[in-house]
Amino acid sequence: QQQVKQSPQSLIVQKGGISIINCAYENTAFDYFPWYQQFPGKGPALLIAIRPDVSEKKEGRFTISFNKSAKQFSLHIMDSQPGDSATYFCAASILNDYKLSFGAGTTVTVRA
Amino acid sequence: EPEVTQTPSHQVTQMGQEVILRCVPISNHLYFYWYRQILGQKVEFLVSFYNNEISEKSEIFDDQFSVERPDGSNFTLKIRSTKLEDSAMYFCASSRTQSPEDYGYTFGSGTRLTVV
Repeated sequence: QQQVKQSPQSLIVQKGGISIINCAYENTAFDYFPWYQQFPGKGPALLIAIRPDVSEKKEGRFTISFNKSAKQFSLHIMDSQPGDSATYFCAASILNDYKLSFGAGTTVTVRA
Repeated sequence: EPEVTQTPSHQVTQMGQEVILRCVPISNHLYFYWYRQILGQKVEFLVSFYNNEISEKSEIFDDQFSVERPDGSNFTLKIRSTKLEDSAMYFCASSRTQSPEDYGYTFGSGTRLTVV
């Protein structure tokens, strides 16, 4: 059972544009939703995370939007920069349950 | 900034051979994990380890897999008899608490295992 579905698989955006990645989850017990950023040859690194008691969280150019009723959450990368080119994974877990369920990943390419 | 260190970065092995993947977690972390990522696919949970025993394992983590913390610093994943489908990137991770919300996991850079 695929617990977290992520789309698109890849996207190309111009420098300064907005990158949007969407995720949907099935398990209503999930209550922690992180996004990880992975550069080639590196492990995933925590980028930003949200709990379902808020609908939006912003850190710098990165924003998570969360829709609990739709069981969906998304990552927006504002003013995308070439250094943002990476693979982004959404994930979900139950708080105090350390196991993360990852989405399939989105490869973002920012063209200068 | 503290890092999780994994060795080797790439290992090629013959099908049926045993491999040991090594990890040095962050020193004050108490929870340790192995995840794997088959090329082009999502990152999948394999096993978690706390207080010198397995806390949870996935259906992927069958009898061919084992984990061990042989000393105070290393955390190893052993695959007894490798299969072609074990070819993947294996990530070690550690965390200070049980909740990934606290500081998040810290992942290592991975070991790419190629079974031929």
